[in-house]
Amino acid sequence: DAGITQSPRYKITETGRQVTLMCHQTWSHSYMFWYRQDLGHGLRLIYYSAAADITDKGEVSDGYVVSRSKTENFPLTLESATRSQTSVYFCASSAGTGPTDTQYFGPGTRLTVL
Amino acid sequence: AQSVAQPEDQVNVAEGNPLTVKCTYSVSGNPYLFWYVQYPNRGLQFLLKYITGDNLVKGSYGFEAEFNKSQTSFHLKKPSALVSDSALYFCAVRDPNTNAGKSTFGDGTTLTVKP
Repeated sequence: DAGITQSPRYKITETGRQVTLMCHQTWSHSYMFWYRQDLGHGLRLIYYSAAADITDKGEVSDGYVVSRSKTENFPLTLESATRSQTSVYFCASSAGTGPTDTQYFGPGTRLTVL
Repeated sequence: AQSVAQPEDQVNVAEGNPLTVKCTYSVSGNPYLFWYVQYPNRGLQFLLKYITGDNLVKGSYGFEAEFNKSQTSFHLKKPSALVSDSALYFCAVRDPNTNAGKSTFGDGTTLTVKP
């Protein structure tokens, strides 16, 4: 019963490198989300996906790319990492298509860009 | 646009005392409101939600929250705090008129319960 997992849990990279953060859920939830958590900003939505092959931008999507070829996976790629992308990244999923469904969060990935 | 405010960065209470973590929101129409808790180095865990009905919502670990439409508030409460309640708490709002269940989160309130 894995639920929702993220890998790696910790990542250090350098400015300009491409980095991919992985998210996997075992519930077959339709919706998946990527957030970043920064001190003083709470959680901000980067991208979300309503189903496989359907994705859309959130409020802070610049510099990020996502894909969703399979329902259970939702990788987030930083195409050319910048120091401002140092953050803790959370993936979440929810079952239903209605707005009342609860989001379940992964344990997070702490990314440091040097 | 929807928004959430958690006016206190930090709340300190003594064990056994009641606690309140404040949240106010702005959204068109009737809101869906949520509280989440985050322990160190962990993801957010769902505590409770208000969708409709009774203004007092009961959730996990003895927490409850009161929805007040006139004050646009959704404060989290617990009658008797435990040291283990110390964590970071997030309020979130979801506009029922949007699809995909997108939520807006507050900046979080750190609750410290002292023995």
